[in-house]
Amino acid sequence: NAGVTQTPKFRVLKTGQSMTLLCAQDMNHEYMYWYRQDPGMGLRLIHYSVGEGTTAKGEVPDGYNVSRLKKQNFLLGLESAAPSQTSVYFCATKSGTDNQPQHFGDGTRLSIL
Amino acid sequence: KQEVTQIPAALSVPEGENLVLNCSFTDSAIYNLQWFRQDPGKGLTSLLLIQSSQREQTSGRLNASLDKSSGRSTLYIAASQPGDSATYLCAVRYTGANSKLTFGKGITLSVRP
Repeated sequence: NAGVTQTPKFRVLKTGQSMTLLCAQDMNHEYMYWYRQDPGMGLRLIHYSVGEGTTAKGEVPDGYNVSRLKKQNFLLGLESAAPSQTSVYFCATKSGTDNQPQHFGDGTRLSIL
Repeated sequence: KQEVTQIPAALSVPEGENLVLNCSFTDSAIYNLQWFRQDPGKGLTSLLLIQSSQREQTSGRLNASLDKSSGRSTLYIAASQPGDSATYLCAVRYTGANSKLTFGKGITLSVRP
């Protein structure tokens, strides 16, 4: 039982390049989230999804796009990477049942040069 | 603005001490409050979730309390051990937030042998 799996674990990009981060879950959870974690800023929500085929903006959505074509996968895309997007990215999932905790992946460490 | 504050940012204690980690939030209209643990280089692990109707939750040596009227939660760790060394984050789901969490910046705990 893998839980929440993020791919890749590490990546270095050049400014202007694009890439997609993949989050896969095997818990059949309805909700999925993408966060970024930066020193001194804490965890900030980028985008989230309340079910297959749905997405919504979080606190810091600019420069990112997401898709949830399948219930088990939530993709985060950077169309034109910028140094300000250097961060650790976390995916989380949650059951649709009320008052259940979020479950996190181990993160993707992304550096933009 | 709905915020979550955790002070101090870091704490160092000798092994065996009972300790209290504090979390404060700005709006008493909360749905639930969660405490997470984060080890270096890892994702967040849910420790305890307190529903708005509850006053406390316990799991092993951990006890979390909630006082909505004063905007405070505490995480009590009994008989601390070096293995408790980690960053502890508090997160609030405010009412109407559609499952979104607002995170504090965390308290980095070091338990000295």
